[in-house]
Amino acid sequence: DAKTTQPTSMDCAEGRAANLPCNHSTISGNEYVYWYRQIHSQGPQYIIHGLKNNETNEMASLIITEDRKSSTLILPHATLRDTAVYYCIVRVEGTGTASKLTFGTGTRLQVTL
Amino acid sequence: DVKVTQSSRYLVKRTGEKVFLECVQDMDHENMFWYRQDPGLGLRLIYFSYDVKMKEKGDIPEGYSVSREKKERFSLILESASTNQTSMYLCASSRTAMGTDTQYFGPGTRLTVL
Repeated sequence: DAKTTQPTSMDCAEGRAANLPCNHSTISGNEYVYWYRQIHSQGPQYIIHGLKNNETNEMASLIITEDRKSSTLILPHATLRDTAVYYCIVRVEGTGTASKLTFGTGTRLQVTL
Repeated sequence: DVKVTQSSRYLVKRTGEKVFLECVQDMDHENMFWYRQDPGLGLRLIYFSYDVKMKEKGDIPEGYSVSREKKERFSLILESASTNQTSMYLCASSRTAMGTDTQYFGPGTRLTVL
């Protein structure tokens, strides 16, 4: 799987948009960009994923650049409950144990009042 | 919504004890995974199951075994717990075996072995 680079930490004021960047310059054409988050002492939570096009769901938006070498996760109105570590992962199609998830160090997002 | 549940949030066991961690998913998913997560080491796959009674070893299967007698339930067994198995254990499931299929996680079990 392609390696990803994320900032170690970010702050965001409650109610503002949180924009979390991710670089994946070695991404291949068949690799998807996935985002998960993990609130302290809880299991990881799936947020969103995409291949080429921008995606939006009830939790967030994912903006992927045209060359697919970077992406941005947007939480449109951050709340204190969004404080977590956010992981950007690039996943290739594969079966069995090749489908395992590997998290990097992620971005620790702190939402403040 | 997919729901993955784990039998315990916190567990304390003694060295040498046999430990059972249970995971149940309610979405008829084919695949289930057991990971452990440790600071600085990230997420590591212990075992994977793609069907009832079928399993594959992950990256760190030593000291662990698994059981999948029913589609919805995947158990992780520590035959003889050791202190280096103190960790956060995470169960996940996905609908298919495709590597790009979304994995959904349970809340985790924080196991301490004394």
